[in-house]
Amino acid sequence: ETGVTQTPRHLVMGMTNKKSLKCEQHLGHNAMYWYKQSAKKPLELMFVYNFKEQTENNSVPSRFSPECPNSSHLFLHLHTLQPEDSALYLCASSQEDTVGETQYFGPGTRLLVL
Amino acid sequence: SQQGEEDPQALSIQEGENATMNCSYKTSINNLQWYRQNSGRGLVHLILIRSNEREKHSGRLRVTLDTSKKSSSLLITASRAADTASYFCAIRYSGAGSYQLTFGKGTKLSVIP
Repeated sequence: ETGVTQTPRHLVMGMTNKKSLKCEQHLGHNAMYWYKQSAKKPLELMFVYNFKEQTENNSVPSRFSPECPNSSHLFLHLHTLQPEDSALYLCASSQEDTVGETQYFGPGTRLLVL
Repeated sequence: SQQGEEDPQALSIQEGENATMNCSYKTSINNLQWYRQNSGRGLVHLILIRSNEREKHSGRLRVTLDTSKKSSSLLITASRAADTASYFCAIRYSGAGSYQLTFGKGTKLSVIP
């Protein structure tokens, strides 16, 4: 257990559905991240929140919408996804100060878009 | 692209042997980290080495960093079947305000019992 939980662990959705992924960290960290991991591609950083403010958005399509209501929770809202969005979505957290730069990852949500 | 490049892409060894994986990068870094991922799971942090460090140890893991060659290596000694996983280097590039870690494609290690 890394202290970062993600739900659901598996999700199958049609292209017209709307769903949300949830991430919760129990580590008291101040930064949270969404990554996308596709087969044979490097881990792609999607969004970064630091102190609940979105600080990075790496040209992610608008069909992915993040939400960070507090420093412990992070959501990724999904709508009208495409089959190529099928991937493992990983959440991570870290303490961004001069001491900690290690990221702690959740187990991921395996998403299949039909 | 600034991503790290791991080498080899795949490695298969017998239990008890040592495994060495390499990572190269392009510009100046703040630190370099190694992570492990079991199939379909989240990544687990193994070790962090800062730009002013040359070598770090953690149990059976040894990481070296050569900033002149812009490369790092991860050595796993006396490998076990349980070490079978993908290993990624992640780079924190120098530069103010960057929270990003840039990951490579990983090395897939198979340890045969």
